[in-house]
Amino acid sequence: ELKVEQNPLFLSMQEGKNYTIYCNYSTTSDRLYWYRQDPGKSLESLFVLLSNGAVKQEGRLMASLDTKARLSTLHITAAVHDLSATYFCAVTPLGNLIFGKGTKLSVKP
Amino acid sequence: EAEVAQSPRYKITEKSQAVAFWCDPISGHATLYWYRQILGQGPELLVQFQDESVVDDSQLPKDRFSAERLKGVDSTLKIQPAELGDSAMYLCASSLSPGQGAGRNEQFFGPGTRLTVL
Repeated sequence: ELKVEQNPLFLSMQEGKNYTIYCNYSTTSDRLYWYRQDPGKSLESLFVLLSNGAVKQEGRLMASLDTKARLSTLHITAAVHDLSATYFCAVTPLGNLIFGKGTKLSVKP
Repeated sequence: EAEVAQSPRYKITEKSQAVAFWCDPISGHATLYWYRQILGQGPELLVQFQDESVVDDSQLPKDRFSAERLKGVDSTLKIQPAELGDSAMYLCASSLSPGQGAGRNEQFFGPGTRLTVL
């Protein structure tokens, strides 16, 4: 059975701190996506990781992919309140997206 | 900037009633997806179209759900009759056909329809 597991599922951080969200998946996939979702809103694409060792950065977020370990990380540097949202990773083993359960991030002053 | 359009944005209905949602993908996107997202979970695929043909509807509860994309452009998802457990966000996404361009298969999501069944 295909599984996409994220941890933690809930994360409360203080502003200025660093943290990493992990995404493990159980089957091969030719790419991995990270999405952001604000409450009641749709999904916003953050990163598309296409190959082993890929690293992408946008502002305070950096994503990486290790296809051999079937692991992706989303690292948050010096968190700010505006980063509060739910973050999903997703893989595409058969073309369609399979999502994790999401990590709900709350950044507190 | 091109976007996926969905309507309505919110729908409240009573159980056993029929509901329908509409999606207009980004122009030129041949692949269209309907996802259901239950509160606190990740989206799950209901149905995938390539042009007007269904590619994958293995997770679509066919006793009550139906989807069509008659002209290969916009699409309608229907639920009849609605049940309490159908309360969720219904997301539509579109993508270029597989194999076209470096960003092939990247899906762009619409704003969603929030369904509440009472």
